[in-house]
Amino acid sequence: QLVESGGGLLQPGESLRLSCAASGFTFSDSFMNWVRQAPGKGLQWVANINPDGSVKYYVDSVKGRFTISRDSAKNSLYLQMNSLRAEDTAVYYCARGHVHSFDIWGQGTLVTVSS
Amino acid sequence: QSALTQPPSASGSPGQSVTISCTGTSSDVGGYNYVSWYQQHPGKAPKYMLYEVTKRPSGVPDRFSGSKSGNTASLTVSGLQAEDEADYYCCSYGGSNNWVFGGGTKLTVL
Repeated sequence: QLVESGGGLLQPGESLRLSCAASGFTFSDSFMNWVRQAPGKGLQWVANINPDGSVKYYVDSVKGRFTISRDSAKNSLYLQMNSLRAEDTAVYYCARGHVHSFDIWGQGTLVTVSS
Repeated sequence: QSALTQPPSASGSPGQSVTISCTGTSSDVGGYNYVSWYQQHPGKAPKYMLYEVTKRPSGVPDRFSGSKSGNTASLTVSGLQAEDEADYYCCSYGGSNNWVFGGGTKLTVL
C-alpha cells in the first residue's frame, strides 16, 4: 500500500515536501509517480521517477518548481514543491507505475495554497 | 499536452450496458496501446480498472471491458450494478515520458 503525508495550508510562494510510504511490494524495483486532483476537477499526472532515482520527468506546469525523489532504504517517495501557486491546490496522490499506467494509489494528501 | 475528451456524464439502469468514450490524438490514444481506466468513488482514491486498452487487473469484474479505435478508446460496463456509480477517468501515455488523463465521466446508475 501507499500512504501519503505532509499536506497542509500554505501561502503563495511557500514550499512544502510531501512524503509517500510504500509497503507490500518491492519499492526499489518500481517506477513511482505523483498525480494530483484539484478540488472538483480531474486527475493530472505530475511527476515520474525510475527505480534507481536517476531519471525524472515532470508535467510542464511544475518543471523547475517541483522535485520528485525517493529513498529506497526507507521505502519512501517524496515531492518537494517550491514557489507554490494557487493553481497547485489539489489532493496529491502517489501511485506506482505499471506498463505506462498507475496500479497502486495512496489515499492522497491535500495541499491548499491560499493567501 | 491537452486533456483527453470524455463525456461529462453517462447513465444506465441496473443490468444494462453503458459505454464511455475517451478521445485523444494520434500523439497519445492513437499512438500507443497504453490506455488505462480508473474508477473513483466520492472522497476515495482512484482504482485501477483496465490497462493496455483491454487488460483487467486481478479482482476487476469481467463486466468491465475496453477497446480502442483510432484516437478514441472506450470503456464498457455491462450488467450495471449500483456500486458501479462513480467517476471514471481514462489515461493515455503521451510519449516523451508524460501521461494525460481525461476530464472524467460521472456514471449514474438509474
